[in-house]
Amino acid sequence: TQLLEQSPQFLSIQEGENLTVYCNSSSVFSSLQWYRQEPGEGPVLLVTVVTGGEVKKLKRLTFQFGDARKDSSLHITAAQPGDTGLYLCAGRLQTGANNLFFGTGTRLTVIP
Amino acid sequence: GAGVSQTPSNKVTEKGKYVELRCDPISGHTALYWYRQSLGQGPEFLIYFQGTGAADDSGLPNDRFFAVRPEGSVSTLKIQRTERGDSAVYLCASSPQTSSDTQYFGPGTRLTVL
Repeated sequence: TQLLEQSPQFLSIQEGENLTVYCNSSSVFSSLQWYRQEPGEGPVLLVTVVTGGEVKKLKRLTFQFGDARKDSSLHITAAQPGDTGLYLCAGRLQTGANNLFFGTGTRLTVIP
Repeated sequence: GAGVSQTPSNKVTEKGKYVELRCDPISGHTALYWYRQSLGQGPEFLIYFQGTGAADDSGLPNDRFFAVRPEGSVSTLKIQRTERGDSAVYLCASSPQTSSDTQYFGPGTRLTVL
């Protein structure tokens, strides 16, 4: 049983469309991270959010940490083929905890 | 600079055999982590090293799994009496100092147990 559930599991959209990926848990996290992983490579960190309600923007990507620090979302505006990949959320239950819990992942395909 | 490297990139073995997977962290990084990623899942934490010592091995599934980092740099994950269920991608990550720092992942070793 994974602590963090992501939805949708798979998403295929046309270039230029907007999308939102969700990361949910019944547990409270001290921080949450989003990663992107491409085939044959390890995950690459996109952002870290630490405060409930926090919103961070990275170009066309907007990340939000839920007020109760149990959930997060990733919104992509005007998706591009280069956004294709596996998006993973990951969280720490306590500040400084060694164990990083990863979500189940969302596989995004952006069709040109 | 060079990132985290892992060797081999692919390993195929037979059930019951012993395997070793190697991780070369980013130079100067004192923290090192091993994760296992099964098909269609997110990575699952296995073990964390701070320097030469295993600071947290709570994610190791059973005593067939063991990891070492004798000189505080390169680490080896060792799996004895492999089982088909051990098939997965084994990821290594390193971070500069503490477990709170950003983790940089290697490309992983894909282990297939026949």
